Amino acid sequence: DAGVIQSPRHEVTEMGQEVTLRCKPISGHDYLFWYRQTMMRGLELLIYFNNNVPIDDSGMPEDRFSAKMPNASFSTLKIQPSEPRDSAVYFCASKGPGLAGGRYNEQFFGPGTRLTVL
Amino acid sequence: GENVEQHPSTLSVQEGDSAVIKCTYSDSASNYFPWYKQELGKRPQLIIDIRSNVGEKKDQRIAVTLNKTAKHFSLHITETQPEDSAVYFCAASKRDDKIIFGKGTRLHILP
Repeated sequence: DAGVIQSPRHEVTEMGQEVTLRCKPISGHDYLFWYRQTMMRGLELLIYFNNNVPIDDSGMPEDRFSAKMPNASFSTLKIQPSEPRDSAVYFCASKGPGLAGGRYNEQFFGPGTRLTVL
Repeated sequence: GENVEQHPSTLSVQEGDSAVIKCTYSDSASNYFPWYKQELGKRPQLIIDIRSNVGEKKDQRIAVTLNKTAKHFSLHITETQPEDSAVYFCAASKRDDKIIFGKGTRLHILP
């Protein structure tokens, strides 16, 4: 398996523009997580899905952020409109059900999307 | 909800010495404690984990300890090497629930 795939790897945009980040989880994984990482705030969980259903979106900073998971192999995180303070690395991670491969609860992270909002 | 505190935020040790990173958690129902390592510009990757029915676990030069009563857990790295330089995150979770991460410890291995 190729692991968790994210696109784009880098995104530079101007304030006010819409940004869409994409994620393909590992095949067979039923949990998907979106994180934001900054120097100041560390690794923050934004939202997570189980079987394509959003379970906890309490980490989504405000209404400008939205996430969808239309099927088991694809998720998007959208920021509209974007602001400079949204600049960060956004990670997607996925996890399989229960005890799989001996590593209970292990989350596998994607390579991240580095977002810069000017 | 769960809250994970991690310290120190930065740690410098001489190559060959040991490094210890400590974490506390707040939710007594948490039963899974992973540690992730993140090298510069890379993604976090799991290096070791421990479940609440175990007090200690070792994997070569790294070990984790868990004190459920005190809600403390620690990462120990012995005989540190340059490739151990990275940011280390502790985390806590309940089964089939989200993982809550600490703020991270930047470990520098000095030559």
